[in-house]
Amino acid sequence: GAGVSQSPSNKVTEKGKDVELRCDPISGHTALYWYRQSLGQGLEFLIYFQGNSAPDKSGLPSDRFSAERTGGSVSTLTIQRTQQEDSAVYLCASSQDISSPKNTEAFFGQGTRLTVV
Amino acid sequence: RKEVEQDPGPFNVPEGATVAFNCTYSNSASQSFFWYRQDCRKEPKLLMSVYSSGNEDGRFTAQLNRASQYISLLIRDSKLSDSATYLCVVNIPSFSGGYNKLIFGAGTRLAVHP
Repeated sequence: GAGVSQSPSNKVTEKGKDVELRCDPISGHTALYWYRQSLGQGLEFLIYFQGNSAPDKSGLPSDRFSAERTGGSVSTLTIQRTQQEDSAVYLCASSQDISSPKNTEAFFGQGTRLTVV
Repeated sequence: RKEVEQDPGPFNVPEGATVAFNCTYSNSASQSFFWYRQDCRKEPKLLMSVYSSGNEDGRFTAQLNRASQYISLLIRDSKLSDSATYLCVVNIPSFSGGYNKLIFGAGTRLAVHP
């Protein structure tokens, strides 16, 4: 597609339920990132993918969070047993190329606003 | 020390003013740097990329000082529409090769008033 697409745009879930967030990156982009942004706060790095592998998972807040990417394209972020503190906007971004620092501008989707009640 | 640090502001300036934002980063191996703009309840959007010592685009000038690990963004002749949060972004090289860990500063809020 023309841009990064995320779904759903909004998700309200009950505490304790699992949720799955989806990201469709820009076609041909090898790198994909997940960030979390709580209200009034900065972007918190969660994880990034080069192709289907995730070299750095250090930002995942707990073992309730996991992410995968298949076919070098779509990625899903799964949060198990959601807690109220998981409420935030989850942003996905993609960038073109990893081999040169000049091709790493990231383009963002509009985010998924998650509310845990 | 945080990987990317910014003055949170807010900066309240009148239209037409010149305003400068500063950003410092801790990883001396970083090679690429960006400024993003984020409007309220919207996703961040790329404003400028900075690969060498600096970059200029109309009213916006970004400068990079590798020795001091410091990036700045200068906005001249501020407009009401410049009101937003400005995010400093640093690309951290990974141990496995490539340059794909983008770390965002917390952002500097700018409010331009009539």
